[in-house]
Amino acid sequence: AQTVTQSQPEMSVQEAETVTLSCTYDTSESDYYLFWYKQPPSRQMILVIRQEAYKQQNATENRFSVNFQKAAKSFSLKISDSQLGDAAMYFCAYRSASTSGTYKYIFGTGTRLKVLA
Amino acid sequence: DTGVSQDPRHKITKRGQNVTFRCDPISEHNRLYWYRQTLGQGPEFLTYFQNEAQLEKSRLLSDRFSAERPKGSFSTLEIQRTEQGDSAMYLCASEEVLNTEAFFGQGTRLTVV
Repeated sequence: AQTVTQSQPEMSVQEAETVTLSCTYDTSESDYYLFWYKQPPSRQMILVIRQEAYKQQNATENRFSVNFQKAAKSFSLKISDSQLGDAAMYFCAYRSASTSGTYKYIFGTGTRLKVLA
Repeated sequence: DTGVSQDPRHKITKRGQNVTFRCDPISEHNRLYWYRQTLGQGPEFLTYFQNEAQLEKSRLLSDRFSAERPKGSFSTLEIQRTEQGDSAMYLCASEEVLNTEAFFGQGTRLTVV
């Protein structure tokens, strides 16, 4: 069974600085997707960034980028130029891409990010 | 398109009562997911549908939980004989088959007293 682990329950970053959130996962599959979702307080979860496992190039979305290390099963999120609006819970998630697999999303326990003004 | 809609947003019920939640996914999305989230934890998978077919159900889901998606559009999640441990946020998400991104609703917060 696949698992997702986030070992940092809480992180803080100064406004305009850079922060990296860590995620590791375990799977025996070779084809899958990894995600970072953001959940602001009392608001719905939204996708921040997605990585396809078959792509070697790390995904980037504006100030958000990932460091995907497939062999190490590591998937970290880097937030550059942090803004007050980045404060939220961040969840790392895994989903199989195999047509014979399940399409459920498996989430980690989350990292609460605080942004200090 | 207003996104994934869940109703009600909040529900307080007495232990032993039955409750039903509704989820309206984004209209062209074939897959629909139900998750449960307790405070400070990540979403825990309950079940998912592709069109009207329920393809997977978590082993954590007791017989008191049932979900339906009768016409492949909206879905309902029913909890029978609620227990205090059922208190949580219940999240619904939908996904288009050809686009790997789950869109989440705002959730239904259940409190069992």
